[in-house]
Amino acid sequence: DAKTTQPNSMESNEEEPVHLPCNHSTISGTDYIHWYRQLPSQGPEYVIHGLTSNVNNRMASLAIAEDRKSSTLILHRATLRDAAVYYCILRPHSTSGTYKYIFGTGTRLKVLA
Amino acid sequence: GAGVSQSPSNKVTEKGKDVELRCDPISGHTALYWYRQSLGQGLEFLIYFQGNSAPDKSGLPSDRFSAERTGGSVSTLTIQRTQQEDSAVYLCASSFGLGSYEQYFGPGTRLTVT
Repeated sequence: DAKTTQPNSMESNEEEPVHLPCNHSTISGTDYIHWYRQLPSQGPEYVIHGLTSNVNNRMASLAIAEDRKSSTLILHRATLRDAAVYYCILRPHSTSGTYKYIFGTGTRLKVLA
Repeated sequence: GAGVSQSPSNKVTEKGKDVELRCDPISGHTALYWYRQSLGQGLEFLIYFQGNSAPDKSGLPSDRFSAERTGGSVSTLTIQRTQQEDSAVYLCASSFGLGSYEQYFGPGTRLTVT
């Protein structure tokens, strides 16, 4: 199973952009890159996903390196409510026959007021 | 609409007892997933269901763990002869199908084995 590597923790000031990196050097051509976040005492929630091209949604942007061996989740303006553990996950394409989502230890984001 | 629900929210049990954890997925979701999260750790995948079928059970930590899903809806995770290392938060998630990109997680069941 392809693995991801993330920094254990990061800090950001409120209202500033945050770039959360993820390395996935063993990614296969059919793996999607997913990001989830887990707020304190809650289950994870979906943030964004992509395959090759950069992606934007109302929560965040996902920048994927050209060789796909790394990606960056971008929160454009961090708020106190964005303080959470952010997980970068590789999800196999549906034809691969497996749906074992491998969550790493994630990055704990602290937002400073 | 209603999200994924899990019961009980908290369970304290004595070592050696059996426990059953329940998950009610979002209506219409055919795929269901179980994870375990030990204190301060990331999520550990346990098992997934497509309908009532579980194609891959290799994530279950030992043969004391089993899971079933009936009627394509409710799922039960059973841990027999609980051990202290089974203490964790057990999370359930569901999605429209295995190919769906978004999993919806429940609040989890906190299991404490004394």
